Amino acid sequence: GESVGLHLPTLSVQEGDNSIINCAYSNSASDYFIWYKQESGKGPQFIIDIRSNMDKRQGQRVTVLLNKTVKHLSLQIAATQPGDSAVYFCASGRGGGNKLTFGTGTQLKVEL
Amino acid sequence: DTGVSQNPRHKITKRGQNVTFRCDPISEHNRLYWYRQTLGQGPEFLTYFQNEAQLEKSRLLSDRFSAERPKGSFSTLEIQRTEQGDSAMYLCASSASTGKTTNEKLFFGSGTQLSVL
Repeated sequence: GESVGLHLPTLSVQEGDNSIINCAYSNSASDYFIWYKQESGKGPQFIIDIRSNMDKRQGQRVTVLLNKTVKHLSLQIAATQPGDSAVYFCASGRGGGNKLTFGTGTQLKVEL
Repeated sequence: DTGVSQNPRHKITKRGQNVTFRCDPISEHNRLYWYRQTLGQGPEFLTYFQNEAQLEKSRLLSDRFSAERPKGSFSTLEIQRTEQGDSAMYLCASSASTGKTTNEKLFFGSGTQLSVL
């Protein structure tokens, strides 16, 4: 079955440093990938998405890289801020519809 | 606030009772999704609607669970004869399908936290 997994459950970074959160997916048919940020007591908040016909996409302070050859996805956050502290989920989908499959999440902790 | 709205935010119930949650999606979003999330895990897909039609249900969704979206706007999720294992955060999300785009991003509500005692 399809599964999405994260390499590290917790990531601690210093304020101002760059953060890299990694994710592996298993279903080669996945054609859509998305990152969400979830703060305690809140629902997931969209960060950035990418389709399988791209290998890189940039947003404001965030970049998503997709390597379909090894089925790997990463989220880079530039100049990490205390407000970036949260759990980050990657998710993937395939075909029509939006049945996203989520990973277990990475807790990002920003140290002052 | 024009985001996805869920009510109630918290629900505590006794085992065996029925509960119903409501979701109001972003207006004009034709797709609505229900997910369940337990502590430390990512959200798990339960079911989704396009307008009023329920197009897919997860095999994880037992017969005690039923979802409706009668007018293609708000949706309700009912759990009958609740069990302790039903304790989780129930998340609703919506998206605007154009019919031509393969995938569109989901916008999530803040969820309903269910505790079954």
